[in-house]
Formats: sequence, structure tokens, C-alpha cells
Amino acid sequence: QVQLVESGGGVVQPGGSLSLSCAASRFTFSNYGMHWVRQAPGKGLEWVAFIRYDGNNKFYVDSVKGRFTISRDNSKNTMYLQMNSLRPEDTAVYYCAKTSGEWFAPFDFWGQGTLVIVSS
Amino acid sequence: EIVLTQSPGTLSLSPGERATLSCRASQSVSYSYLAWYQQKPGQAPRLLIYGASSRATGIPDRFSGSGSGTDFTLTISRLEPEDFAVYYCQQYGSSPPLTFGGGTKVEIK
Repeated sequence: QVQLVESGGGVVQPGGSLSLSCAASRFTFSNYGMHWVRQAPGKGLEWVAFIRYDGNNKFYVDSVKGRFTISRDNSKNTMYLQMNSLRPEDTAVYYCAKTSGEWFAPFDFWGQGTLVIVSS
Repeated sequence: EIVLTQSPGTLSLSPGERATLSCRASQSVSYSYLAWYQQKPGQAPRLLIYGASSRATGIPDRFSGSGSGTDFTLTISRLEPEDFAVYYCQQYGSSPPLTFGGGTKVEIK
């Protein structure tokens, strides 16, 4: 069964930085596009970012453009989300999710999430 | 950006009853690239339906999806105790951003 394990969440002050990781296993990571999705406490799901299977195409939701960077290391089966200039509204559980293909594909597996709290 | 509006916000039903959840898009969803996810408290979402009507692997046949264009429906034919959860629709047929609906909570009456 596909496994996705997020790490790196925690408490950070506004304006600070945090780096999240998503370790993938039990599938050929380098063949699939990957996403980050977040969920603020008690709220719905919000798509954050996407990276193509080879890392050559990346997309972001407008609210994080210029602040967040998605990347991946296929040799380590790991995806990353570098978050800079964090704001209180970035507080959320961050999930990594695998697509069943590339951009035009649903999210067939999700990790359990890592909580990011932006607060002074 | 395609905005997805789910209704109702909350559905109060008893086990064994039929649940009908709606997802309406602000513009046509290309190729019916519409998915439904189930989320239980403290858990990650789980893919139920993709392509508007195809069940994901391992999903019971009491779950069915239908619709095209701007109107989509998730039906749970007979609610089991484990089906009480929040359900989200998502479109993945357009250029960024991908969007989710606001969710429908199915609660025990």
C-alpha cells in the first residue's frame, strides 16, 4: 500500500520559515505528480502547490506565490515545501497527496498531515 | 478559477437512509474531471469517486457519482455507521488553481 509521511510541522512566528517533507514509499515516486493541500483548523481543504513527476513544472495557489517553494528529490523519494514569510493565515494541517497521473488527475493517496501553527 | 458550491452544508440522516450530496461548479468542469473525497475527524481525506462517476479502488458500491458540466451528485444508497463524515468535491480539469468545494457534513440524525 502506498505510504506518504509528512514531517517538519511545528510552531513558528509570523514572518518565519519552515520546511516540510513528504517521504513516499511503496510506489514508483518518480512517475507521479505530487501536491500539497492544507486545511485550516475546522475549515475545508485548500490546494497549495503541485510539482510534476520530474520537477520541471510547478504551480501554486495565488496566496502562497513568492513565499512557498515546492520541490522534490526523486533519488530520495521525497517532496518538500519550503515556506517563508509565514502568516497566521498559513496555520493549517498540511497534507501531501499523490496524483494518479499528472496535473489532470485526482489525488488517490494522502499522507496523514503535519500541523503548522503560525503564531507569536 | 472554478468555484465549487456544495449543498447542503449539513445532512442529518439515519443509518440505512439514502444520502444525496450536490456539487455545483461556477463553470463547466472539463471532461467531468470531478472527484469526491471522504474525510473523518482526525484523518486524511480518502478518494471515493473520480471522473464524476468512477469508484476508486476498494470503495463500496453503495457510493455512486453522477453528473456532468456544472452539476454533480454523490449518492450513498444506504448509509452505514462508518459513512458519517465530511464529503468534499474537487475539480481537476482546469488550469491552476485546483479547487475544492466547502464540504457537506453527513451526521447521524
